[in-house]
Amino acid sequence: DAKTTQPPSMDCAEGRAANLPCNHSTISGNEYVYWYRQIHSQGPQYIIHGLKNNETNEMASLIITEDRKSSTLILPHATLRDTAVYYCIVRVPNTGNQFYFGTGTSLTVIP
Amino acid sequence: EAGVAQSPRYKIIEKRQSVAFWCNPISGHATLYWYQQILGQGPKLLIQFQNNGVVDDSQLPKDRFSAERLKGVDSTLKIQPAKLEDSAVYLCASSLERTSMNTEAFFGQGTRLTVV
Repeated sequence: DAKTTQPPSMDCAEGRAANLPCNHSTISGNEYVYWYRQIHSQGPQYIIHGLKNNETNEMASLIITEDRKSSTLILPHATLRDTAVYYCIVRVPNTGNQFYFGTGTSLTVIP
Repeated sequence: EAGVAQSPRYKIIEKRQSVAFWCNPISGHATLYWYQQILGQGPKLLIQFQNNGVVDDSQLPKDRFSAERLKGVDSTLKIQPAKLEDSAVYLCASSLERTSMNTEAFFGQGTRLTVV
């Protein structure tokens, strides 16, 4: 079962930063936070992941609070192609170390 | 680098018929997942393989669903007989290996199944 809570939808103006929040208040010390997105009619696309420290790559930045109970995915300059459902996932260490998806946040970038 | 390949992209069948989906993971990826995504929901894990062995199939409806990965590479997911509620997108994903929490999974485009 998903261990995360995300707002169901958000809007963002094109060219502005999109900040997508995620709550994971029951996260444990060795559990990673992953972000994926899913553009309509495509499979989920990996964006970024982290454990404790903030992370940045060519797509986005991930800010994890010090207590690790929440995180924010930042798309620095949103474009229309960033319109998608964004999933925040806490990867639970079990036999399979699987990825459990919740319902995500539907981000709409507005021209 | 080639991604995860799935076929067919679309399939329409009548209820009680059978159907099979095929997945070819990224070369060298030991772990393979099958997910079911019903419209408006997030993907739900059905089964996970490590090489040709099953790691977790606790969410697979075994009375009608089966999956195999005989040579530890390609995989097939079968539904027999199909029900209307099986209408969904079936996603295949692969990752290098399951023991590290620090490796991402890569997803295919999915197969959209419609049962009428």
